[in-house]
Amino acid sequence: AQSVTQLGSHVSVSEGALVLLRCNYSSSVPPYLFWYVQYPNQGLQLLLKYTSAATLVKGINGFEAEFKKSETSFHLTKPSAHMSDAAEYFCATDWGGGNKLTFGTGTQLKVEL
Amino acid sequence: DAGITQSPRHKVTETGTPVTLRCHQTENHRYMYWYRQDPGHGLRLIHYSYGVKDTDKGEVSDGYSVSRSKTEDFLLTLESATSSQTSVYFCAIRGGNTGDYTGELFFGEGSRLTVL
Repeated sequence: AQSVTQLGSHVSVSEGALVLLRCNYSSSVPPYLFWYVQYPNQGLQLLLKYTSAATLVKGINGFEAEFKKSETSFHLTKPSAHMSDAAEYFCATDWGGGNKLTFGTGTQLKVEL
Repeated sequence: DAGITQSPRHKVTETGTPVTLRCHQTENHRYMYWYRQDPGHGLRLIHYSYGVKDTDKGEVSDGYSVSRSKTEDFLLTLESATSSQTSVYFCAIRGGNTGDYTGELFFGEGSRLTVL
């Protein structure tokens, strides 16, 4: 089964600094890849998705991710962090023919003044 | 708004009692999912449904059963709850229609279950 690994369960950045959240996937075939965000006491919502149309994917709230096949990576970035970005972020990939998503263990992003 | 409602939102129960969580959608989507979220594990798929009376197991299905008698409702049942089933449970529906796979899931707000 395909899987994703998120490096770093907690990341802390200063407001205005670059945000970099890491995700590596395990698959010999480029999969569908997703980043979701979860704010406290809420469900997950989609930030962006890769479906092989373009390697650089832009999402909501200024986030983007780049698919790098040579590194089997799909890291999430944002040039300038905002306090409102504090949340938990999940990388995910499809599994079982595209009908099921497998999630990483999540990265909690803290944004400090 | 994906029109997903989970109930109850919070429940405390005792070991050995049965528990049913309900997921209701208003969008007429075919695929529905139950995930559980635990610290350090992210979200793990319990069961999913691809149509009325059509269900399949996920990666952590032991101790859980599901039913889908109507398109709009997907029920998750713990026949005899255990403390290891204390978790936050999320229902999700898959965006897009048949033949138009987008992969995006829309999530409910979660049901927090505590088993004492």
